[in-house]
Amino acid sequence: RKEVEQDPGPFNVPEGATVAFNCTYSNSASQSFFWYRQDCRKEPKLLMSVYSSGNEDGRFTAQLNRASQYISLLIRDSKLSDSATYLCVVKGDSNYQLIWGAGTKLIIKP
Amino acid sequence: DGGITQSPKYLFRKEGQNVTLSCEQNLNHDAMYWYRQDPGQGLRLIYYSQIVNDFQKGDIAEGYSVSREKKESFPLTVTSAQKNPTAFYLCASSVGQGREQYFGPGTRLTVT
Repeated sequence: RKEVEQDPGPFNVPEGATVAFNCTYSNSASQSFFWYRQDCRKEPKLLMSVYSSGNEDGRFTAQLNRASQYISLLIRDSKLSDSATYLCVVKGDSNYQLIWGAGTKLIIKP
Repeated sequence: DGGITQSPKYLFRKEGQNVTLSCEQNLNHDAMYWYRQDPGQGLRLIYYSQIVNDFQKGDIAEGYSVSREKKESFPLTVTSAQKNPTAFYLCASSVGQGREQYFGPGTRLTVT
């Protein structure tokens, strides 16, 4: 089993719709979780950190489910500019290491 | 403006040549990292450094070398021993352990 798993997609979603995707992780002791977005042929950019209580930033909501070992990302009222690959990131065993999922590709269609 | 710069953006080399990728940050971050990204895969850690003059191997360090002589700089050398060097190389930094990482724009290396 991979340490961090994501559905590669692509998710094809009409503009204005709500879309959600999950990411599962294998290390139950993981303490830090993040969502990044990566545009084609660009560097990853931090979208949001994921806290135990869940957190919201505008149209984006991230949640953590420790019992089932997954984190989720919900995007409401999707925009064309949301088209990107979304990377799930989990802190590994070493203090400095982050484990990266391969990403979920999202395509928003007009 | 604070940030991370990488140069060059594109690099082409012949097999058997060593090549050095530059990474500079002015965020005053202690930790710096090098990753490679291949199509359809997650980022894989090559090397990381927590402080000046100290660095550790990541998951795929074979065929690579680094130095950390200054806090701001963390160059990566791709040696001729790296069997499959063509990839997208990303440099990142973070303020501390387990914290979010910030990336430079990357260097796309092609070796033929």
